[in-house]
Amino acid sequence: EDKVVQSPLSLVVHEGDTVTLNCSYEVTNFRSLLWYKQEKKAPTFLFMLTSSGIEKKSGRLSSILDKKELFSILNITATQTGDSAVYLCAVEAEYGNKLVFGAGTILRVKS
Amino acid sequence: DSGVTQTPKHLITATGQRVTLRCSPRSGDLSVYWYQQSLDQGLQFLIQYYNGEERAKGNILERFSAQQFPDLHSELNLSSLELGDSALYFCASSTGLGGYGYTFGSGTRLTVV
Repeated sequence: EDKVVQSPLSLVVHEGDTVTLNCSYEVTNFRSLLWYKQEKKAPTFLFMLTSSGIEKKSGRLSSILDKKELFSILNITATQTGDSAVYLCAVEAEYGNKLVFGAGTILRVKS
Repeated sequence: DSGVTQTPKHLITATGQRVTLRCSPRSGDLSVYWYQQSLDQGLQFLIQYYNGEERAKGNILERFSAQQFPDLHSELNLSSLELGDSALYFCASSTGLGGYGYTFGSGTRLTVV
């Protein structure tokens, strides 16, 4: 059965800290890995990764995929209180079908 | 606004009842996905439609059904509701069959009392 595991489950940091969120997966027919940020309601798209070793960056957020070791990390530098959210990792397994989500990492940034 | 519209936003109903959740995908998107998010289960895939046809099915209960209409909006029907069905139900849409460009609606919070 396809599985996505995120760690840590929750994290409390202070503003300005750097955090690393982890996502490991076991899926058949891997196509892509996606990161989402979920605040109060709908998950919002952050990154999609398909190739190993290529870092994706957006401002203070960056992510990289290792298809050999089957994991991805999401880094957030110089954290701000607005980064407080649940970060979801999902894997697209099989073309065109469902996303398999991890349980998420709850990040709380204290001022 | 993500462009994916879900109604209603909140729904409170009694056990044993039936409800219908509605989703209008982003303009131009042909795929609609339904997900259930409960506190103890995380986001669980229920079902996917592509251009009116059922494409993939997850762990959707037999009491639940869905369809996608010619105008591409989709409805998720939940019947014989139980307390455990209380959850956030999300609809997402994408242009084609893949997860790229997957956009979520703001969800319907269902509370079964």
